Amino acid sequence: GDSVTQMEGPVTLSEEAFLTINCTYTATGYPSLFWYVQYPGEGLQLLLKATKADDKGSNKGFEATYRKETTSFHLEKGSVQVSDSAVYFCALSPFSSGSARQLTFGSGTQLTVLP
Amino acid sequence: GAGVSQSPSNKVTEKGKDVELRCDPISGHTALYWYRQRLGQGLEFLIYFQGNSAPDKSGLPSDRFSAERTGESVSTLTIQRTQQEDSAVYLCASSSPGTGRLEQYFGPGTRLTVT
Repeated sequence: GDSVTQMEGPVTLSEEAFLTINCTYTATGYPSLFWYVQYPGEGLQLLLKATKADDKGSNKGFEATYRKETTSFHLEKGSVQVSDSAVYFCALSPFSSGSARQLTFGSGTQLTVLP
Repeated sequence: GAGVSQSPSNKVTEKGKDVELRCDPISGHTALYWYRQRLGQGLEFLIYFQGNSAPDKSGLPSDRFSAERTGESVSTLTIQRTQQEDSAVYLCASSSPGTGRLEQYFGPGTRLTVT
């Protein structure tokens, strides 16, 4: 079945450091890929998405590129801020369009950014 | 507009009791999903509804778990004879018809503690 493997945390960085959170997946067909973020005390929010190979999703300075050859969707940010402290989840949906399908999530990576 | 809402936000119950968790999706969203998030883990898919029907119940962990949805709106997740391993945050999400189905909007969750 489908699965998502995420870089284990927790990750602690200083403000303005470069961030990479690794994510690889196993799926049949052509899944869509997502990063969700969960800020302390809040619900899950969609951060960015990519629906086909070589697509780059971006939002709030974060980027991730859908790499089919390496089955990866690594999250990057060039300069993190204290406000980026949160738990980040990589997820996939098994079809790129059409009917609704459940998301398969990675285990989450806790990011703490220190001032 | 209002987002996905869930109630109660917290529920403490004794082992063996039944509980009902409620989800109000975003108005107009035809797809509704239930997930479970155990402490320190990713989200585990439970069930999804398209309209009032549930084409995929594969994630329900046992026959103690059931869910229904009425009027393409509110959904209730019922756990009978609760066990301690049922303790988790139960998250509801909804998505809209058409190409926007890929994006799921999450509620704040119900934290269930079984003592």
